[in-house]
Amino acid sequence: AQSVAQPEDQVNVAEGNPLTVKCTYSVSGNPYLFWYVQYPNRGLQFLLKYITGDNLVKGSYGFEAEFNKSQTSFHLKKPSALVSDSALYFCAVSPPSQGNLIFGKGTKLSVKP
Amino acid sequence: DAMVIQNPRYQVTQFGKPVTLSCSQTLNHNVMYWYQQKSSQAPKLLFHYYDKDFNNEADTPDNFQSRRPNTSFCFLDIRSPGLGDAAMYLCATSGDVSFSNQPQHFGDGTRLSIL
Repeated sequence: AQSVAQPEDQVNVAEGNPLTVKCTYSVSGNPYLFWYVQYPNRGLQFLLKYITGDNLVKGSYGFEAEFNKSQTSFHLKKPSALVSDSALYFCAVSPPSQGNLIFGKGTKLSVKP
Repeated sequence: DAMVIQNPRYQVTQFGKPVTLSCSQTLNHNVMYWYQQKSSQAPKLLFHYYDKDFNNEADTPDNFQSRRPNTSFCFLDIRSPGLGDAAMYLCATSGDVSFSNQPQHFGDGTRLSIL
């Protein structure tokens, strides 16, 4: 079965420190990879995606993600966390030629001053 | 700005009383999706429209129906809401179901409460 794993329910980071939110996937073929962020009582906002090419993808709000094909991982990173980055983060995978997204369960990021 | 708009943002209904949630988009996208999201869980796809073609997920209860009268609007109808249907309902759009490398664009959701 196709699946996306976000092993951490919550990640706690001090403001100014680097952050990593982990994601691994089990999907056949070469899927497309996405990160979304959700603030309280809001919809999901697209952060970044990996389609092909450079394994390091840059996205909105200073976020980036590193694709590792051998480890089937797509970890979200930011060099210096802000309190305003506190939110729920979802990794999602889209199998080729399918319109559906397979979501991870989400990781709550908490950035403390 | 082009966007996905959901109305109302908050909806309260009574147990068993039909309710309709609405979604509109100015992106002129072919595909519109409805998701159910419970208490900080991942969104669960209920169904989607590709133009006028309706695609139901296998595990979506019959209690949930949808209508898409035109490209811009899509409605979610819950015929007889139960307590377990209390959730955030998210509408999303994408350009084309075969363009799976394109991100989906989400509205801010409707939070449904059942009394």
